[in-house]
Amino acid sequence: LAKTTQPISMDSYEGQEVNITCSHNNIATNDYITWYQQFPSQGPRFIIQGYKTKVTNEVASLFIPADRKSSTLSLPRVSLSDTAVYYCLVGESNNQGGKLIFGQGTELSVKP
Amino acid sequence: GAVVSQHPSRVICKSGTSVKIECRSLDFQATTMFWYRQFPKQSLMLMATSNEGSKATYEQGVEKDKFLINHASLTLSTLTVTSAHPEDSSFYICSADNRDGTDTQYFGPGTRLTVL
Repeated sequence: LAKTTQPISMDSYEGQEVNITCSHNNIATNDYITWYQQFPSQGPRFIIQGYKTKVTNEVASLFIPADRKSSTLSLPRVSLSDTAVYYCLVGESNNQGGKLIFGQGTELSVKP
Repeated sequence: GAVVSQHPSRVICKSGTSVKIECRSLDFQATTMFWYRQFPKQSLMLMATSNEGSKATYEQGVEKDKFLINHASLTLSTLTVTSAHPEDSSFYICSADNRDGTDTQYFGPGTRLTVL
């Protein structure tokens, strides 16, 4: 399983764009890249997923370079409620369900 | 869509008792569910993969006789912490794969277990 490396923590201010980069040098051909958000005492919440290039949804964008050895989660105009831990995961993709191994995650603190 | 529930959300028990935690996929079928444990200020640790109709696959270091997993149907998996001790106190989270081949897992809200 691909190991991921993220910054342990990041600070930002309301209204700023936040970019969190994740390294996954050993990503396999069939692996997707998925980002989750977790608030204290809650289960992780799916944010975005991609395989290559750029993916955008209503909450975030995900940038994946051609070699797929890293990815960047971009949160536009963060608010205080975006303070959370963000996890980058890559996993096996197969019909039996992929096993995901969580790394440390990035603790994002948004200040007023 | 893709909602996963857990019950109970919080449980306090005495040392030596067994506790059952349920994980349900509410609007999709999940042949595979996963169980995680999370200690304060730490990341989620995968405990086991629960497969409908077959035995669970446990991660290294997780005692299968301590943490009994039963995947009785396509929408329900249960985790039973047997003879719980204070060191088993943790936040237990389940997830279910939506089977579209993209590794998208949907997580339950978690169960806070406190063993006195």
